[in-house]
Amino acid sequence: DAKTTQPNSMESNEEEPVHLPCNHSTISGTDYIHWYRQLPSQGPEYVIHGLTSNVNNRMASLAIAEDRKSSTLILHRATLRDAAVYYCIPGSNTDKLIFGTGTRLQVFP
Amino acid sequence: DTEVTQTPKHLVMGMTNKKSLKCEQHMGHRAMYWYKQKAKKPPELMFVYSYEKLSINESVPSRFSPECPNSSLLNLHLHALQPEDSALYLCASSQDGGRTDTQYFGPGTRLTVL
Repeated sequence: DAKTTQPNSMESNEEEPVHLPCNHSTISGTDYIHWYRQLPSQGPEYVIHGLTSNVNNRMASLAIAEDRKSSTLILHRATLRDAAVYYCIPGSNTDKLIFGTGTRLQVFP
Repeated sequence: DTEVTQTPKHLVMGMTNKKSLKCEQHMGHRAMYWYKQKAKKPPELMFVYSYEKLSINESVPSRFSPECPNSSLLNLHLHALQPEDSALYLCASSQDGGRTDTQYFGPGTRLTVL
């Protein structure tokens, strides 16, 4: 399983963009990069996933480095509801998601 | 409906009790999961069921016994637990555990072992 490194915590103001980095230098060629987040007192929820090229959905964008050793989750306009722990999870099969320590995002009004 | 429900929300049990946690989904998913999450730590995978068969057991002690009676239900039977087993137990489901599958998580059962 690929090891990940994420900042322990980050802060943002409301309505500002947030870039959450993740290093996964041991990722294998077939591993997708999945991002989940866990809001306070809730189970984790899926955010986005990608393999090689950048991905967008209604929640966020995922920018993947050309060498795939790092990726960045982008929240274009942070809201208070985005305060959560964000987990970057490389993996080849989603039946075995290995959660790292994640990044705790605080959003200030 | 993308909801995974878990009951009970909270459970307090003694070390000699037997109790069960229940998880249900009606999304037609064929993969279901149990995770354990200690306070301020990430979720840790315990068990995976694929098409109602146990496919992954992450070396979980036998005092935790999973059961998948049908494709919509997942139980976790608890017996002779220790205080260190106190945690949030999360259930999740996904289409079939494939490469780009999405796991949907329930809100969890907060277990306290006295």
